[in-house]
Formats: sequence, structure tokens, C-alpha cells
Amino acid sequence: EPEVTQTPSHQVTQMGQEVILRCVPISNHLYFYWYRQILGQKVEFLVSFYNNEISEKSEIFDDQFSVERPDGSNFTLKIRSTKLEDSAMYFCASSDIRTSGPYEQYFGPGTRLTVT
Amino acid sequence: SQQGEEDPQALSIQEGENATMNCSYKTSINNLQWYRQNSGRGLVHLILIRSNEREKHSGRLRVTLDTSKKSSSLLITASRAADTASYFCATDAMAGGSYIPTFGRGTSLIVHP
Repeated sequence: EPEVTQTPSHQVTQMGQEVILRCVPISNHLYFYWYRQILGQKVEFLVSFYNNEISEKSEIFDDQFSVERPDGSNFTLKIRSTKLEDSAMYFCASSDIRTSGPYEQYFGPGTRLTVT
Repeated sequence: SQQGEEDPQALSIQEGENATMNCSYKTSINNLQWYRQNSGRGLVHLILIRSNEREKHSGRLRVTLDTSKKSSSLLITASRAADTASYFCATDAMAGGSYIPTFGRGTSLIVHP
């Protein structure tokens, strides 16, 4: 069964450094998403991406964040200058509007980001 | 915000028992979804129920939706140790064609063998 993959599984970085989290969505999906989950807290929406541009973004997704689909398979989240409070689990998801609509999203296993 | 809140926060049962988790939300929705998250893993989609549906089944899962009370419940029948996980409801907000789910804090379910 196709699945969303994410790399790395764990990233440790120093405050102020840039990080890029990588995702490979399911190949025929058209909508892509990033979420984060701070330890013990809710899963929070960051951004959705469709047709090579951002569809929606939350207030969390400020100028420090950017997303890109650099080729036909990868979807990346960049945090320009990490802060301690960026430490969280980051989940990528994708959906296929043509079959299940945008609602049924398939999540990757997540990248645990630790900012020291 | 269209926030789902699960209740109880934690539930501990014996294998074979049924587990019921509830979700309440604040404003009108188009649909509501339930997800499972095993410890340290991503979310797995379980069931979507639309606002015009009252009940939906999938295997041992039964979801109900009461839009007048703005609440939903997830029932897992004949629970197994492998059902141990956190369960989240997510309510929707359509904006610009994208679907933006809002997740609750989840119910942590422990099923003892």
C-alpha cells in the first residue's frame, strides 16, 4: 500500500540554524500538508499546498517557514532560523481530491525536530 | 474556531471490553473525522462522517454524529491490546478549496491484555 514517507526521522539542530524537513507524498496525490505536534499537545495545521502554491496557512506559518516542491516527488518544509519553541513532531500529509476528496489525508510517520 | 475536544482524556479498559470516546465541537461542520495515533507515530485515518450522516461503521468501529449537540462518539467494540493508542477527532473548515482540519487533544486509550 502506498504511504507518505518523511526524512529524517529525528533532527537535532542548534537555535538559529536552518532546517529542511523532507516528505515524499503518495505519488498520485495533489494536496500536500504540513502539521506539527508539540509534545503532549494537539496536532496543529501549518500549511496546505496545491498546484505548486500555498493554498492555506495558519498563523503559526510565519516568515520563518517556507514550503517547496522542488521536483515531482518531494515536498519540503524549511525553517529558516529555528527557535527552541520549534521543537516538535512535524507531520506531512497528502490527499487525492479526485477520489476521496481533500478530507481523507494520509499522514507520514513524522520528523521529530529538537532545537537546542 | 471549529475545535474538537475529546473526552475522556484517558481511558483504561480490559481486552474484550468496549471503548467509547466522545468529541465535542463549537461551530457547524461539513464533516468530522476520527484518527488514531500510535505512540511516536503518524496519524492514521479511521472514519469520516459527513454532517448529514448520523452513524457510520467500519469493522469494529462505530461513529455517531449529533449535529444538534455538536458532538460525536467513537465506539470500539471487543477491544484488543493493539487498539492501545491516542484517538483524535478532527473537524473541518473549508477555506479556499483546501480542507483544514482542527484536531482535539485526543483520548489516550490503554487496552490491557
